[in-house]
This record gives sequence, C-alpha cells and structure tokens, in this order.
Amino acid sequence: GAGVSQSPSNKVTEKGKDVELRCDPISGHTALYWYRQSLGQGLEFLIYFQGNSAPDKSGLPSDRFSAERTGGSVSTLTIQRTQQEDSAVYLCASSSRTIEQYFGPGTRLTVT
Amino acid sequence: AQSVTQLDSQVPVFEEAPVELRCNYSSSVSVYLFWYVQYPNQGLQLLLKYLSGSTLVKGINGFEAEFNKSQTSFHLRKPSVHISDTAEYFCAVSDTGGFKTIFGAGTRLFVKA
Repeated sequence: GAGVSQSPSNKVTEKGKDVELRCDPISGHTALYWYRQSLGQGLEFLIYFQGNSAPDKSGLPSDRFSAERTGGSVSTLTIQRTQQEDSAVYLCASSSRTIEQYFGPGTRLTVT
Repeated sequence: AQSVTQLDSQVPVFEEAPVELRCNYSSSVSVYLFWYVQYPNQGLQLLLKYLSGSTLVKGINGFEAEFNKSQTSFHLRKPSVHISDTAEYFCAVSDTGGFKTIFGAGTRLFVKA
C-alpha cells in the first residue's frame, strides 16, 4: 500500500516568509509525528497527534511553528517568519497500535 | 522525560568484521526501545524494537540488540557487516503509556572493503 508522503520534497524560501509543509500519513494510522533533522543533530521531536486527543506540542521550538491535522488524516506544519536556523529536513511519520513509526521521505527546507 | 545517548557519532569498520553500536537511555518509567536505520538518500525504517518479553531482540538484515535494564542500555550488534550496511543508525525510546518518541543523535556506520 501507499506509504507516508510529504510535499514539497524541497522548498527554498527567503528569510521572513511563511512556509507550509504537508504530510499524508498511511491510511488508518491514528498517530502522526513531525520531526526536524538537522545536519549532525539527529531527529528533533516537534509535535505529535494521536486520534482525537490534544496534540503534544512540547517539541515546537518557538511560537513561529504550528501544526494541524484535519479530519484525523493530512497534517500541515507551518513555519511563520522563517529564519536561517529553520533550514533542515522536516520528517513526518505515522503509526498505528504497533507503535512502529513509518517515515516519509522528508521536506528539505532551505531559508536564504 | 526520556533521553537517549548514542555514544559513538561515527563507527568505521571493515567488511565482515563484527560491530556494536552503543545506546544508553534514561527514563523514570517503563520504556519501549527502537533502532531505526537511514540508508543514504533514503527515509528512516525500523530495524528492530523491544516492547516486552525476551531482552534479546532480532531485527532485519542480521542485526540484533539486547535490552539491559540495569545498565539502561540497548546496544545494537551484528556479527559480520557488509558494505550495504553503511548507513546512519538511530536509537529511540518512548514511554509505554504514550507515543512520544525521543531519538538519539545517530551513529554513522561506515563499512570499508
């Protein structure tokens, strides 16, 4: 079946602009995660959604970052007033009751 | 809160040699433990996981890991590596009550001919 998809695959934006990154999870997966992967920094947890529960936003680095998940499926991560330090690969993953996370290919964000 | 420490950022090894990638975690509650692998220019995929039961866990591609609760470790091992094992390996931990997962910084395994 289809895996996790993310769009766009690459995004170049100017400092100060807003960006939206999209994630389509595997159908039927109740949990959805966003991570940020910077060079040599591993994966940084940003936020996760589980069913209809309130999302765990504890990893969002600032109030410029927000995410929503509509209808329990597609999720959008929004970064407002982008800064150069926001440049990274943003990864989305989804999981079901088996806990194992299935990752998308990521969106490479470059802020110039 | 949980945390994960991967003790080696890079591990060079010759083909057919054994390898161990070290992972230590800290948590005040029971945990699930994972190893994920990211091959060059590919997405992350699960290598193996420990949820409960036997402390020795076998995964794909001949890898295995042992959960040691007293030492709070989950080291990954393979008795004989191949060139194709060259990748970045991430150790991860989550509490058993929720889904939030914390990843280590990663260990880059480089297998040389």
